[in-house]
Amino acid sequence: QQQVKQSPQSLIVQKGGIPIINCAYENTAFDYFPWYQQFPGKGPALLIAIRPDVSEKKEGRFTISFNKSAKQFSLHIMDSQPGDSATYFCAASESQAGTALIFGKGTTLSVSS
Amino acid sequence: GAVVSQHPSRVICKSGTSVKIECRSLDFQATTMFWYRQFPKQSLMLMATSNEGSKATYEQGVEKDKFLINHASLTLSTLTVTSAHPEDSSFYICSASGRGLGYNEQFFGPGTRLTVL
Repeated sequence: QQQVKQSPQSLIVQKGGIPIINCAYENTAFDYFPWYQQFPGKGPALLIAIRPDVSEKKEGRFTISFNKSAKQFSLHIMDSQPGDSATYFCAASESQAGTALIFGKGTTLSVSS
Repeated sequence: GAVVSQHPSRVICKSGTSVKIECRSLDFQATTMFWYRQFPKQSLMLMATSNEGSKATYEQGVEKDKFLINHASLTLSTLTVTSAHPEDSSFYICSASGRGLGYNEQFFGPGTRLTVL
């Protein structure tokens, strides 16, 4: 019940494409869903996060879609660029500060020019 | 976003020695810090959670006598790998959450690459 399942494991798109990464969770107590971007040899960087009171959130070229009834959420990257090539992790937790995040296994994205 | 630093960024040591890694929150008070370990091409594995002024809570399977965690102030947590062995070689990353941040926002440090010879 603590798992967060992420797919696909890897993704290749052309420049300008819209990669979509999906995550699913089981624990209905989760109410905070962040996405992190990680480049090789670096720590993860918080990209965008959502809570269940909204179904979509946009920040720049990054959009989270959230489906509470299906217990699924996804990341869309609009107009993807080669610089977006990285590993993306979804995570989930209860929103209380100091609660450990449960991470998905990650998606390696390659954007070809 | 908030800034978390780690020092050193990489360390090479001989088997049997101890190594200390520092994690600092630079622009917020970190009431909780987390320590993760990451193997190549894998996800982050939570090792322990520490609240300022309290003993760390370790995840199942993590040896608390081998991985000593101290969170003595609201801006600093340390991870000491005692009597390190080659199998301890890994990428160690801290994250922090705390006052002034939204919900359960957690910000990560840049990581420390530990190589044990």
